[in-house]
Amino acid sequence: AQSVTQLDSQVPVFEEAPVELRCNYSSSVSVYLFWYVQYPNQGLQLLLKYLSGSTLVKGINGFEAEFNKSQTSFHLRKPSVHISDTAEYFCAVRPGQGAQKLVFGQGTRLTINP
Amino acid sequence: DAGVTQSPTHLIKTRGQQVTLRCSPKSGHDTVSWYQQALGQGPQFIFQYYEEEERQRGNFPDRFSGHQFPNYSSELNVNALWLGDSALYLCASSLKQRIAYGYTFGSGTRLTVV
Repeated sequence: AQSVTQLDSQVPVFEEAPVELRCNYSSSVSVYLFWYVQYPNQGLQLLLKYLSGSTLVKGINGFEAEFNKSQTSFHLRKPSVHISDTAEYFCAVRPGQGAQKLVFGQGTRLTINP
Repeated sequence: DAGVTQSPTHLIKTRGQQVTLRCSPKSGHDTVSWYQQALGQGPQFIFQYYEEEERQRGNFPDRFSGHQFPNYSSELNVNALWLGDSALYLCASSLKQRIAYGYTFGSGTRLTVV
């Protein structure tokens, strides 16, 4: 079965510092990869997605992610975080062609300290 | 442009009872997927409805059932509630089952079973 591992359950960072949230997936076939953000008491909002093509994907709010097929990773990065980036971040994968569902990781809680 | 609307926002039920959750998809979307998000976990796929039929189903028992109406809105029904059914239930809409276009999530229904 397809799985997604988010390597850090919590990441504390100071404001204006860079951040990387790590995600590894297991798959033997081409995948679609996604990062979602969940603010308190809200649903999930799509940050960015990788379907094919360029391995560097840019998303909203200054986030970007790099698809690395050899390492089966899709890490999320931001060069300078803001207090408003405090939220839960989820990495997700479409588990195979034809699948119409997403498999999510456990989430990473990003806390920005002033 | 209205996003995904879910009702109610919060619900408290007793073990053994039945519950119905409702979802109206984003305007222009015709596919509805339901996810269960337990506390501290990533969302887990329950099932997807498209053209008023259940198209894919996750690893959930038959106590979980659903329906999609001609206007694309959807209901999630859970019978014989267990304490373990306590979770945030998220509805996500999309176009023609295509995950590549991205999901739009609602804010969820918080179900507490006591």
